[in-house]
Amino acid sequence: AQKITQTQPGMFVQEKEAVTLDCTYDTSDPSYGLFWYKQPSSGEMIFLIYQGSYDQQNATEGRYSLNFQKARKSANLVISASQLGDSAMYFCAMRVGGAGSYQLTFGKGTKLSVIP
Amino acid sequence: DTEVTQTPKHLVMGMTNKKSLKCEQHMGHRAMYWYKQKAKKPPELMFVYSYEKLSINESVPSRFSPECPNSSLLNLHLHALQPEDSALYLCASSHLSWGRDTQYFGPGTRLTVL
Repeated sequence: AQKITQTQPGMFVQEKEAVTLDCTYDTSDPSYGLFWYKQPSSGEMIFLIYQGSYDQQNATEGRYSLNFQKARKSANLVISASQLGDSAMYFCAMRVGGAGSYQLTFGKGTKLSVIP
Repeated sequence: DTEVTQTPKHLVMGMTNKKSLKCEQHMGHRAMYWYKQKAKKPPELMFVYSYEKLSINESVPSRFSPECPNSSLLNLHLHALQPEDSALYLCASSHLSWGRDTQYFGPGTRLTVL
């Protein structure tokens, strides 16, 4: 069975500072992908960044980077230079297997609040 | 363009009503998904359509009936719902490609059952 654990129910960060949101995962399948989504209060789930289990380098997308430590089974999201618009719920998710494997396993989420 | 659209944005219905939620994508994606999300919880998968055929039904009650008329459209027909069915309903789509197969979500429909 697959499992995603996000241990921080809520986080606060000062505007313009960097913040790390924790995510650990558990799977015995060597092929998997890890995703981070942002969900503002409006409800839409916005895709942020992806890391594949065979990727050699940590993923980066603009102000978002993923600190992937395969041996520790962690995939922490780093947001640099936080903005007020970053205040939202953040979900870490995992998909195991190749094409035809549809299931996304989500963590419980971390609510990030950016303070002016 | 990674846009998935959903209508309506909000829906209030009685327990005896019949209503439908609509989802549309024009990204050429071959898989479409319905999720249910309760407040302060992660999304829960309900249905998956792959190449317009129902691939996964996560033991969803029959009062929820999905339909995929074509590769771009996904509907969720609602009938005789219960108040506990009040939630945010999210639609998503993906390419069904090897490796990275990102699901892109729509803005959701907030459903209230009275």
